[in-house]
Amino acid sequence: SQKIEQNSEALNIQEGKTATLTCNYTNYSPAYLQWYRQDPGRGPVFLLLIRENEKEKRKERLKVTFDTTLKQSLFHITASQPADSATYLCASLTGGFKTIFGAGTRLFVKA
Amino acid sequence: NAGVTQTPKFRVLKTGQSMTLLCAQDMNHEYMYWYRQDPGMGLRLIHYSVGEGTTAKGEVPDGYNVSRLKKQNFLLGLESAAPSQTSVYFCASSWSIEGELFFGEGSRLTVL
Repeated sequence: SQKIEQNSEALNIQEGKTATLTCNYTNYSPAYLQWYRQDPGRGPVFLLLIRENEKEKRKERLKVTFDTTLKQSLFHITASQPADSATYLCASLTGGFKTIFGAGTRLFVKA
Repeated sequence: NAGVTQTPKFRVLKTGQSMTLLCAQDMNHEYMYWYRQDPGMGLRLIHYSVGEGTTAKGEVPDGYNVSRLKKQNFLLGLESAAPSQTSVYFCASSWSIEGELFFGEGSRLTVL
């Protein structure tokens, strides 16, 4: 079945460093991937969309890459801040109009 | 502009009881979705709708029914609640098939 996998272990980094989160997909070839941020007790909020032919996309301190050979997307937060602490979700469209999500990676940024 | 609104936000049910979760969006979106989120499992798609009067099954549809009688509303029903349906339910909508999803704040359901 079509799957999206994210590292279930929490990522702990120091303020100012770059956080890198991984999203791997299996058994399909998505035309694009989306990244969302979710704070405790809240619904996910959309951050970025990257298409399979874009390789890299940036938005302020955020950068997303898409490697169709590795079947992987990397999500980077540069100059991380404690306010960036949240769970980050990867998502994509599968057949039949279904958008599926990975389990998310929790990021903790220490001051 | 409220976006996506879910009611109720919290509910406790006994096994076998029924209930309906209501999702309303004011963005005139065609696509609407119901997800459940459980620890370690991420968001799993229950049912979705690609327009008024349409519904389709997602990844985990068993035990749930949905209706989309009006474009702005998407209802999720549990006919006979089971403890396995204890979860946080999120509704989402989008303007296109690849557009970003706008989520509600979630409905926390506990089935005893």
